[in-house]
Amino acid sequence: EVYLVESGGALVEPGRSLRLSCTASGLRIDETTMYWVRQAPGKGLEWVGGMSWNGGSMGYADSVKGRFTISRDSAKNSLFLQMDSLRPEDTALYYCAKDMSGSYTLDCWGQGTLVTVSS
Amino acid sequence: QSALTQPASVSGSPGQSITISCTGTSNDVGDYNYVSWYQQHPGKAPKLMIFDVNNRPSGISTRFSGSKSGNTASLTISGLQAEDEATYYCNSYTGGSTTYVFGTGTEVTVV
Repeated sequence: EVYLVESGGALVEPGRSLRLSCTASGLRIDETTMYWVRQAPGKGLEWVGGMSWNGGSMGYADSVKGRFTISRDSAKNSLFLQMDSLRPEDTALYYCAKDMSGSYTLDCWGQGTLVTVSS
Repeated sequence: QSALTQPASVSGSPGQSITISCTGTSNDVGDYNYVSWYQQHPGKAPKLMIFDVNNRPSGISTRFSGSKSGNTASLTISGLQAEDEATYYCNSYTGGSTTYVFGTGTEVTVV
């Protein structure tokens, strides 16, 4: 069975940086296309960005482009989200999710890690 | 990429059927059969209910079904049950630099 566990969420001041981690079990992240999705408090889901199984970028949302970077460590079977120049509007629960093989569908999600950007 | 449009809320009585619409454009919903639907209960992660427009993952009740016509996809819940109370989101592949776009979300109430 596949499990995705996010970590690294914290309270940070505007302008600072934070790195989130998503550790996977039951799959190899270098064989799976994976994504970050966020949800601001009381709001809907927003796709953030992703990394292809072959290490290529799946793009970033306009709201985070140039500030957020997705990377991975195959040895740790982990996906990362480096968030720089954080803004209050980046406050959200950040989910890690994987693509379904053979489709463009997010079929497995972690439980999320909370990022709060506030002074 | 603008969010897909869903009604803010839909309600129904136990046993009834409800349908949630999800309207996009010819660049997302209308161009790809990669529409999925997610159920989210408060404080929980989203759960996949429908993928590729009208397919159910293993373990999902046959009461949930999906369809698409043009730029609009739909989720139908038949035989509505109390446990179906949740927020539902549609999602579409876009094929562009922003891979996915979500719907605005629909709160389903069983009255």
